[in-house]
Amino acid sequence: EAGVAQSPRYKIIEKRQSVAFWCNPISGHATLYWYQQILGQGPKLLIQFQNNGVVDDSQLPKDRFSAERLKGVDSTLKIQPAKLEDSAVYLCASSLVSQGSYEQYFGPGTRLTVT
Amino acid sequence: AQSVTQLGSHVSVSEGALVLLRCNYSSSVPPYLFWYVQYPNQGLQLLLKYTSAATLVKGINGFEAEFKKSETSFHLTKPSAHMSDAAEYFCAVGSGGSYIPTFGRGTSLIVHP
Repeated sequence: EAGVAQSPRYKIIEKRQSVAFWCNPISGHATLYWYQQILGQGPKLLIQFQNNGVVDDSQLPKDRFSAERLKGVDSTLKIQPAKLEDSAVYLCASSLVSQGSYEQYFGPGTRLTVT
Repeated sequence: AQSVTQLGSHVSVSEGALVLLRCNYSSSVPPYLFWYVQYPNQGLQLLLKYTSAATLVKGINGFEAEFKKSETSFHLTKPSAHMSDAAEYFCAVGSGGSYIPTFGRGTSLIVHP
């Protein structure tokens, strides 16, 4: 089965510019997650979708970050405007259901550098 | 609330030696526990998970972990390290119901020839 797809793999932008990341989860996975992984740290959950609804976005900086999953399949994460501290790897993951016993499947990530 | 503490940001072993990566968790409900591995420029891959069945869990690539409730630990071990095991390892804790996962900061495993 195909894994979680993400694009682009790398992106370099200047501060105050905008950027968007795309994720296509494993087919049939209802739950989709976006994580931010800063160098030397573990992934931090930004937002969790169940189908096309938001389950948790408590750690998403909503003044600059937005995410959508309009048709309950692929998803887009946007940053506008970017700050230097947004430099990180943005990981997308999916799971069959939104329950603690189910493992997540991760994409390769998008490495963002803000200069 | 739940949290994960991984002791040691870096662990260095010789090829063929025992690998021990430590993870302690805090959870107000019975936890689900996971170990993930991340190779350079790749996403996280599940090594193994504990979901309240057997306390000794065997995973891929010869890794295993033991759930010890009394010690709130879920340490990852491998009897003999291989050069290909060099990677970043993350312990994570989840709980029943709505899954809001919490990851540790990660431990970098370095394997010397």
